[in-house]
Amino acid sequence: DAMVIQNPRYQVTQFGKPVTLSCSQTLNHNVMYWYQQKSSQAPKLLFHYYDKDFNNEADTPDNFQSRRPNTSFCFLDIRSPGLGDAAMYLCATSGGTTSVGEQYFGPGTRLTVT
Amino acid sequence: AQSVAQPEDQVNVAEGNPLTVKCTYSVSGNPYLFWYVQYPNRGLQFLLKYITGDNLVKGSYGFEAEFNKSQTSFHLKKPSALVSDSALYFCAVSLRNSGNTPLVFGKGTRLSVIA
Repeated sequence: DAMVIQNPRYQVTQFGKPVTLSCSQTLNHNVMYWYQQKSSQAPKLLFHYYDKDFNNEADTPDNFQSRRPNTSFCFLDIRSPGLGDAAMYLCATSGGTTSVGEQYFGPGTRLTVT
Repeated sequence: AQSVAQPEDQVNVAEGNPLTVKCTYSVSGNPYLFWYVQYPNRGLQFLLKYITGDNLVKGSYGFEAEFNKSQTSFHLKKPSALVSDSALYFCAVSLRNSGNTPLVFGKGTRLSVIA
């Protein structure tokens, strides 16, 4: 089945220690998104790629970076995680011709910062 | 700016009763509106969307939503609730009135269906 995969599902890192979260998709969608979701709050968009075009939200901290080496993969890098960065990180894709506007979400990576 | 409001943090309903989860929106132009559901420790799952056409939209798991332009609402409904419907529900609007653009989510409504 076509899907959005996120690894790892759970990540523990130390305060200030860089961490990378990964997302891959088999849907061949051209748009990929990263959202941050804190304890049952609404997902907050961090950035998205339209093909290779990177779009950063104005209020996304500089501490957060992203890479998309090819259509299938997208990475979220947190350069110096703080305690406030502990959250669920959701990757999503869109771009299907028969599913206009729908986003397909991965299961998320729960990040704990100690 | 596009925004959505979900006025209820929590909705409780007895199994077998109809349920409604409310959503109102504020957009410029014609809205693209969505409902997503999230189960514990899972990503969001698409339920249904309104782009254009019939105001009553049917989606997954027996859910439907009615687009009401005059009231700027897009309430989620189900005629008969199941315990398994208990989850967190998000209404969302597209940032721009086209497909494949970022979504702005409401704060979410936790639905609890009691047996």
